[in-house]
Amino acid sequence: EAQVTQNPRYLITVTGKKLTVTCSQNMNHEYMSWYRQDPGLGLRQIYYSMNVEVTDKGDVPEGYKVSRKEKRNFPLILESPSPNQTSLYFCASSHKDTPSYEQYFGPGTRLTVT
Amino acid sequence: GQQLNQSPQSMFIQEGEDVSMNCTSSSIFNTWLWYKQDPGEGPVLLIALYKAGELTSNGRLTAQFGITRKDSFLNISASIPSDVGIYFCAGGGTDSWGKLQFGAGTQVVVTP
Repeated sequence: EAQVTQNPRYLITVTGKKLTVTCSQNMNHEYMSWYRQDPGLGLRQIYYSMNVEVTDKGDVPEGYKVSRKEKRNFPLILESPSPNQTSLYFCASSHKDTPSYEQYFGPGTRLTVT
Repeated sequence: GQQLNQSPQSMFIQEGEDVSMNCTSSSIFNTWLWYKQDPGEGPVLLIALYKAGELTSNGRLTAQFGITRKDSFLNISASIPSDVGIYFCAGGGTDSWGKLQFGAGTQVVVTP
């Protein structure tokens, strides 16, 4: 089954404790992206990657890091989480040979930072 | 980033009624998309529009790409209970390949 998976689905952590949210897709997609969703704000892009070793900032990159060492994986790293990073996070992917805006989303990771 | 204004913020409708929502932008987009998000899940693409003036249907859903390229609307006809969810518009701009700007969403509640 073609899908985007994220782990963990739920995470409660404390301020300053480094964490990684993993994202993996099995569709051989070149493009991957991370979004955060907050009430009343829709989805805002954090980082995106056009291919292996190619990443760029989205609209709200502060406090986040990403890496793209393999085509299928695009982990999101919070080096020192803060309470304002409490949010619902989505990973998405798309194929370069189809319109890149037609992105497939993962199920989401709900992060709470206390 | 560019600001998308999506309205209404929420709507409560009876089963069988038609639903209409829209998105406007101060900037031009090359692409308009509509996504639906069910509770506890990620957004799922409903309709993608790539040409100004384009009108596209997907079952009971109809969406249009505005002539000015600054707006789009989504209609749902004869709503059913499974139409419940949050509907997002998204615009693909000219500044970066694959970059989407999302509206704040329209929460739809359908009552029997």
